[in-house]
Amino acid sequence: NAGVTQTPKFQVLKTGQSMTLQCAQDMNHNSMYWYRQDPGMGLRLIYYSASEGTTDKGEVPNGYNVSRLNKREFSLRLESAAPSQTSVYFCASSVGPGGFGGELFFGEGSRLTVL
Amino acid sequence: GEDVEQSLFLSVREGDSSVINCTYTDSSSTYLYWYKQEPGAGLQLLTYIFSNMDMKQDQRLTVLLNKKDKHLSLRIADTQTGDSAIYFCAGLSGSARQLTFGSGTQLTVLP
Repeated sequence: NAGVTQTPKFQVLKTGQSMTLQCAQDMNHNSMYWYRQDPGMGLRLIYYSASEGTTDKGEVPNGYNVSRLNKREFSLRLESAAPSQTSVYFCASSVGPGGFGGELFFGEGSRLTVL
Repeated sequence: GEDVEQSLFLSVREGDSSVINCTYTDSSSTYLYWYKQEPGAGLQLLTYIFSNMDMKQDQRLTVLLNKKDKHLSLRIADTQTGDSAIYFCAGLSGSARQLTFGSGTQLTVLP
């Protein structure tokens, strides 16, 4: 079982460049999430999609956009990358929204460095 | 909103018990979770506890919840080198729709 698949796993960008992180899940989950992980700060929610066709801001949405392309796929776009966006990005999915939706299943992460 | 805090590091000897602590701020938290992150991987759910419980045991894992002090702990009995990982506490408050994660505790198990 693939679970949650993220691409790319590693990326180096220059300040001002744009890129899209891709995420796909094969568990027929309704809800999907993008988190960033920074040392000493744990995971912070960037955006989430409670169900297909909806997206909402999380704790740290500035500088990011998302697209819920279909039930399986949820992409995260950086339009103009900044060094402060250097981080490890995790996509996750769950049956339903929030903690009531059950266990979050995470991808392996995408390590992004912005120079 | 919810604020969840953990100490950043813990070292134990193989075979000893590990206790990882977490405090949270929202007294209306309904579910509290422990996730484990192994090196280079995403997080995986270890266990969770509902707010009307004081304790939950699952093999080597024991979760204790003190609602009065808003304190959650994860005890790992007979800690093994394979338990070396980052452990995240997460809470779901009644007013929020999403989990709030702590900063994670890096557990190092020494031989």
